[in-house]
Amino acid sequence: QQQVKQSPQSLIVQKGGISIINCAYENTAFDYFPWYQQFPGKGPALLIAIRPDVSEKKEGRFTISFNKSAKQFSLHIMDSQPGDSATYFCAASIAGNTGKLIFGQGTTLQVKP
Amino acid sequence: EAEVAQSPRYKITEKSQAVAFWCDPISGHATLYWYRQILGQGPELLVQFQDESVVDDSQLPKDRFSAERLKGVDSTLKIQPAELGDSAMYLCASSLVPGGAYEQYFGPGTRLTVT
Repeated sequence: QQQVKQSPQSLIVQKGGISIINCAYENTAFDYFPWYQQFPGKGPALLIAIRPDVSEKKEGRFTISFNKSAKQFSLHIMDSQPGDSATYFCAASIAGNTGKLIFGQGTTLQVKP
Repeated sequence: EAEVAQSPRYKITEKSQAVAFWCDPISGHATLYWYRQILGQGPELLVQFQDESVVDDSQLPKDRFSAERLKGVDSTLKIQPAELGDSAMYLCASSLVPGGAYEQYFGPGTRLTVT
């Protein structure tokens, strides 16, 4: 019940296209859902996060869509650029708890020029 | 911009040897996390400190792993003896306060290879 399942494992998108990464969770106590971006040789960095009281959050080209009833959330990258090529991790935690993040397995995105 | 510092960046050790990793969190961050990231997987929390106290070490293999944050600032993670399955990236993160809704800032990690 602590798992966060992420798909796809890898994704190849043409420059200018839309990249979509999906995550699903079981624990209904989760109430904070961040996405992290990780470049090779670097630690993960927070990209965007959402709380379940909203169904969508947009920051620039990055949008999180959240479906509380389905216990699913997704990351959309609009107008994907080669510089977006990285590994993306969804995560979940309980906001009022210790802060422990449960990460998905990761999606390696390659944006072709 | 303040960053989480980790050293060494890379470590190769033989099976059964001892190894230690160091982390210096962002100044003023009371909460410090150690994660292990196996290749191709997401990070998994090993231990969490609030100041110098351990808050969560439920996933830390305590027979071989130990962690300390004596003065509530920098931290050391030790493995003794190292096993082949310990090969992974060890990530340190910090946050200003505990709680799931506060951003965790990650360091660049230490890549451990056990031969």
